[in-house]
Amino acid sequence: DVKVTQSSRYLVKRTGEKVFLECVQDMDHENMFWYRQDPGLGLRLIYFSYDVKMKEKGDIPEGYSVSREKKERFSLILESASTNQTSMYLCASSFHLGSGNTIYFGEGSWLTVV
Amino acid sequence: AQSVTQLDSQVPVFEEAPVELRCNYSSSVSVYLFWYVQYPNQGLQLLLKYLSGSTLVESINGFEAEFNKSQTSFHLRKPSVHISDTAEYFCAVVGSGTYKYIFGTGTRLKVLA
Repeated sequence: DVKVTQSSRYLVKRTGEKVFLECVQDMDHENMFWYRQDPGLGLRLIYFSYDVKMKEKGDIPEGYSVSREKKERFSLILESASTNQTSMYLCASSFHLGSGNTIYFGEGSWLTVV
Repeated sequence: AQSVTQLDSQVPVFEEAPVELRCNYSSSVSVYLFWYVQYPNQGLQLLLKYLSGSTLVESINGFEAEFNKSQTSFHLRKPSVHISDTAEYFCAVVGSGTYKYIFGTGTRLKVLA
């Protein structure tokens, strides 16, 4: 079974703090994603990576950055957390693009910024 | 570009009754379609997907969805629901040759005893 592991399930951070959300997948997938999930808005893509050190902005990249130094690990960084970044963050991974491969999700990280 | 619409934000239904969760999409290219399920406090899990071939696809737990190209729909159905089907269901589309999976806003299925 594919395993996408998000190291932190629940975090509480203060406004202005730098926040790291870590994600590891064990299936040698090329592609990794970070989504944000909010009630009534569904899932919105923050960033996408199709290879080590490669990244592309999604629909809502403002206030976020990412790092992919190793194929299995994809980190989401909030440089200066704000209360409007309180949300559920989902990491996902998949094989090659363009052929309808299944995207596999982690359990999610609930971030509260106070 | 692709888009997905799930018109029903919440669907209450009694146990053992049938249910249909609606999903419509738009795209200028051919697409692959997915239904994902999210149980409380968990990530999303694949329920079923349509890639090509038979327009009717089934999951192992009794759900099915039919791809209708003329109506650009991919509605999810189950003839008899259980309490354990209570969850949020997301429809998703990805255009052929693209990386961007577009998710709908989700439908909360609440199965009542």
